Amino acid sequence: AQKITQTQPGMFVQEKEAVTLDCTYDTSDPSYGLFWYKQPSSGEMIFLIYQGSYDQQNATEGRYSLNFQKARKSANLVISASQLGDSAMYFCAMREGPTGGGNKLTFGTGTQLKVEL
Amino acid sequence: NAGVTQTPKFQVLKTGQSMTLQCAQDMNHEYMSWYRQDPGMGLRLIHYSVGAGITDQGEVPNGYNVSRSTTEDFPLRLLSAAPSQTSVYFCASSGQGVLGFGKTQYFGPGTRLLVL
Repeated sequence: AQKITQTQPGMFVQEKEAVTLDCTYDTSDPSYGLFWYKQPSSGEMIFLIYQGSYDQQNATEGRYSLNFQKARKSANLVISASQLGDSAMYFCAMREGPTGGGNKLTFGTGTQLKVEL
Repeated sequence: NAGVTQTPKFQVLKTGQSMTLQCAQDMNHEYMSWYRQDPGMGLRLIHYSVGAGITDQGEVPNGYNVSRSTTEDFPLRLLSAAPSQTSVYFCASSGQGVLGFGKTQYFGPGTRLLVL
């Protein structure tokens, strides 16, 4: 079974609108972390936001927030007030267990977001 | 701080050749990893290290070797390049974080490898 599933290969959003990128995960480990990365066309991987499995509140970082629904095993990324510069590939990733075993990430296949005027 | 640096940026190899992809970080991070990115498949873990002298295999280790003689450097060696190793390679590093829950993994700019 896929550990990280991103079901939206491509998404379009109008500038200044909010957009939700879906991510579901599968793990039996009670301790895990969920990450979102942005990869623009230039190719670098940019860390956006992190949610730990024991965190009580949903993570937020500026215009990014993570809608964490533990029982449903989903960790959707919400981008508010989309900007043209948000056009990129977005990856959801998971680390199982604390980092004592190394910060090993499993990635989804990504969602290509295009922001339109 | 330079962060995570990778060299070369781009490399073309012939089948059977060997080469080393270099990765260095100046953040004194304990953890370092190598990933490969193929079209439509996201990133997959090749090898990782939790500290100098300690390495282990990830999801797709075949055809690659690593070593970690210092905290700063984590080179990836291709022993005998194959066309299937054509990919973009990313090195990443992170600290252990509070109680072992490291939050941020920093990625290098990547190395594009083409094997003919």
